Amino acid sequence: GQQVMQIPQYQHVQEGEDFTTYCNSSTTLSNIQWYKQRPGGHPVFLIQLVKSGEVKKQKRLTFQFGEAKKNSSLHITATQTTDVGTYFCAGPGYGKLTFGQGTILTVHP
Amino acid sequence: NAGVTQTPKFRVLKTGQSMTLLCAQDMNHEYMYWYRQDPGMGLRLIHYSVGEGTTAKGEVPDGYNVSRLKKQNFLLGLESAAPSQTSVYFCASSDQGAYGYTFGSGTRLTVV
Repeated sequence: GQQVMQIPQYQHVQEGEDFTTYCNSSTTLSNIQWYKQRPGGHPVFLIQLVKSGEVKKQKRLTFQFGEAKKNSSLHITATQTTDVGTYFCAGPGYGKLTFGQGTILTVHP
Repeated sequence: NAGVTQTPKFRVLKTGQSMTLLCAQDMNHEYMYWYRQDPGMGLRLIHYSVGEGTTAKGEVPDGYNVSRLKKQNFLLGLESAAPSQTSVYFCASSDQGAYGYTFGSGTRLTVV
């Protein structure tokens, strides 16, 4: 079945440093979605990318969908303590999403 | 507008006991899902429903049953709880299938 893999599993940064998490799918995706889960909270939908090579920005967050539509990345510029949490990518298939394992981001002030 | 509501929020069960987790959504969404979250394992799909009266197995369905008798409710049952079912359970709903899930706040279940 479809597999979605994310790296790294953990990332510790100093406040102000940049952060990137990578997502790879075993199959070509019609779209890729990103979610954020704050510590003790629930996942919250951030964004969906649909087009090959698409790049979208949300303030300090930049999302990219690969040309082959099998990989994606999330880059955060100048991290802040409010960025802490787990970031998940997810790929669709037959009415449901398959989530990556997530990247846990810790930001040290 | 409450979104997706899960009850209970916390529960401790003894091995062999049974329980039902309730998920209710007020957004008129067709699709509903049950995931479990374990450290290092991400979110794994247990069962899902593409509409009232339908259910389907996900990635890790063993030991669980579900029912979707009403469009707004999706119930997850554990007939005989096992310690391996200790986890955080999330319900989610969507109006377009695999897009833009709205998650509930989760149920933290411990089986001793």
